[in-house]
Amino acid sequence: GENVEQHPSTLSVQEGDSAVIKCTYSDSASNYFPWYKQELGKRPQLIIDIRSNVGEKKDQRIAVTLNKTAKHFSLHITETQPEDSAVYFCAAMTGGFKTIFGAGTRLFVKA
Amino acid sequence: ETGVTQSPTHLIKTRGQQVTLRCSSQSGHNTVSWYQQALGQGPQFIFQYYREEENGRGNFPPRFSGLQFPNYSSELNVNALELDDSALYLCASSLASGYGSYEQYFGPGTRLTVT
Repeated sequence: GENVEQHPSTLSVQEGDSAVIKCTYSDSASNYFPWYKQELGKRPQLIIDIRSNVGEKKDQRIAVTLNKTAKHFSLHITETQPEDSAVYFCAAMTGGFKTIFGAGTRLFVKA
Repeated sequence: ETGVTQSPTHLIKTRGQQVTLRCSSQSGHNTVSWYQQALGQGPQFIFQYYREEENGRGNFPPRFSGLQFPNYSSELNVNALELDDSALYLCASSLASGYGSYEQYFGPGTRLTVT
């Protein structure tokens, strides 16, 4: 069945450094790739997304890249801040309705 | 914060009972998806409702069922509760177009505990 693998499961960086989270999906029909940030006890929050006809998208300090051939996509956060500390989930959507999430990456930004 | 709301916030049920969870979608959205999030894991897709019909389903048994109403709000019903059903249940609303329903915005969730 469809699967999304996410690495690493935990990431610790110094404030101001960059953080990179990588995901791999299995369903070649997947065409939409959102990223969510979930703080403790709160709802997942959509932070950036990319569609399959685009290779890269940037929004201020965050960017996402997509390699359809390799079925890889990545989240890049630059100039990290303590408030970036949270769990980040990647996801892949198929058919416009079924969204498969990765297991999450717990990001710690040390001040 | 999104305009998606869920009720109740917390719920404790006994194994074998039935439960109904509710979700109000964001204004302008016509599609609701439901997810189960176990502790320390990513959300798992249960099903999606569009125009009051189930539009797709994940790997969940038939005792998980749902409804969508004309105002696009939705219910998730779970029968014959099992201990493993204990989780955070999230709904997410989106706007479907001819190409699908993409950007999803989550509600705060309902924490269900089955004892």
